[in-house]
Amino acid sequence: DQQVKQNSPSLSVQEGRISILNCDYTNSMFDYFLWYKKYPAEGPTFLISISSIKDKNEDGRFTVFLNKSAKHLSLHIVPSQPGDSAVYFCAASSNYNQGGKLIFGQGTELSVKP
Amino acid sequence: ETGVTQTPRHLVMGMTNKKSLKCEQHLGHNAMYWYKQSAKKPLELMFVYNFKEQTENNSVPSRFSPECPNSSHLFLHLHTLQPEDSALYLCASSQVWTPGAKNIQYFGAGTRLSVL
Repeated sequence: DQQVKQNSPSLSVQEGRISILNCDYTNSMFDYFLWYKKYPAEGPTFLISISSIKDKNEDGRFTVFLNKSAKHLSLHIVPSQPGDSAVYFCAASSNYNQGGKLIFGQGTELSVKP
Repeated sequence: ETGVTQTPRHLVMGMTNKKSLKCEQHLGHNAMYWYKQSAKKPLELMFVYNFKEQTENNSVPSRFSPECPNSSHLFLHLHTLQPEDSALYLCASSQVWTPGAKNIQYFGAGTRLSVL
């Protein structure tokens, strides 16, 4: 039973346009969410996070939106650049139990074309 | 460079071999993790160590044996593996979890394991 799902295995976007990556979760106990980016032959690197007390967090070109009622979060990248081409993983945790264990989605491969 | 180093980067082993994966972190963290990533699947947590003590074993077969001699080093000892154990094995570290704190994990580049 997968608690965190990224239903789009891949996404292709033109350079300069917006990339929107989506993530759904089922466990209402999750209260902290993260996005990681992974290039081939490298480990995942932390990108941005959001606590459930917020509905938006912004860091430069990256913005994460959280819709708790829909159990949905999304990562917006504006403007998209070719260097953003990577696999993006969302992860969720419950910061008040489960020892902060991260549950990951399957990943979405983003391709930004020049 | 994430501050988490894994060696070797690639490993090919037979089902009767014994090998070890090594992870070292230079971030001053007190929690370390092993994950497995199989093709097209989410990262699966295998083991968690907090202050050198194992706090989680996610129903991992005994042919995988972790060791954490100190807060900076983590090993995964492998023996009599199966071909289906072929995967990318990732190590991560973080500050030890405390309720309400952000738990950001920092990953190494992984060891790509092939079991023949």
